[in-house]
Amino acid sequence: AQKITQTQPGMFVQEKEAVTLDCTYDTSDQSYGLFWYKQPSSGEMIFLIYQGSYDEQNATEGRYSLNFQKARKSANLVISASQLGDSAMYFCAIGGGSNYKLTFGKGTLLTVNP
Amino acid sequence: EAGVAQSPRYKIIEKRQSVAFWCNPISGHATLYWYQQILGQGPKLLIQFQNNGVVDDSQLPKDRFSAERLKGVDSTLKIQPAKLEDSAVYLCASTLSWGQLNSPLHFGNGTRLTVT
Repeated sequence: AQKITQTQPGMFVQEKEAVTLDCTYDTSDQSYGLFWYKQPSSGEMIFLIYQGSYDEQNATEGRYSLNFQKARKSANLVISASQLGDSAMYFCAIGGGSNYKLTFGKGTLLTVNP
Repeated sequence: EAGVAQSPRYKIIEKRQSVAFWCNPISGHATLYWYQQILGQGPKLLIQFQNNGVVDDSQLPKDRFSAERLKGVDSTLKIQPAKLEDSAVYLCASTLSWGQLNSPLHFGNGTRLTVT
C-alpha cells in the first residue's frame, strides 16, 4: 500500500517570495514516482512536476522544483517567486507498483498575498 | 491535443435517484481512471481500466456504483441509488503509458455531483 501525508492544511506566502510545501510518503515499492498537481478554484487538476525514485537529481520545471530526500521519504515542492495565480490547492501523489495508479494526499491550500 | 472530456459539468439529484457520468479520454490513452474527490480532500481512486478491462476496482462501492468502458475508449460511471455522502466531484483521468512511471495522469474538469 502507498500513502501520502501532507501536514500543512494551509500556507500563506507573500508575492515574489519562495514557499515550500511538504510531502512525505510511504511505500513498499522499490520503483515509484512522485507527482505534484495544482488544483485552482475552478477545479481542474494540473500536472506540475515529476520525480522518479531512481532519479539522482531533483526535478525542476520552471519556477517549480522538487526537494527529494529518499532516505527521509520526503518530496517537498518549492515554488520560487510566488505569483498571485499560484493561489490554489496543491496535491502530492505517489505512483508505482503492479497497478499503475496515483494515490493522493489531502492537499495544501496555498494563498499568495499581494 | 484535446484534453479529457467529461460531462455533465454539474448534476443535482435527490437521494435514491440514479445518475451517470461520461468521460472521453485523450486519444490514444489506453488507461482510464475514475476518481472521487470529496470537498476538502484529495482524489480517491474508484476504478482503473486498461483498455476495456478493469485493473483495480477495490475501492468502488459495488452495491451502488458501476462503471464500464465497452470499446476501450470512452467510459461511463453510474451511481444507483445515490446517497447523500456521494456528493463530490468525480474526476476522470487518462494516461498514455501504463506502467511507465513518468507518465502523468491527465485529468478532465470533473463532474460536481450534489445529492439532496
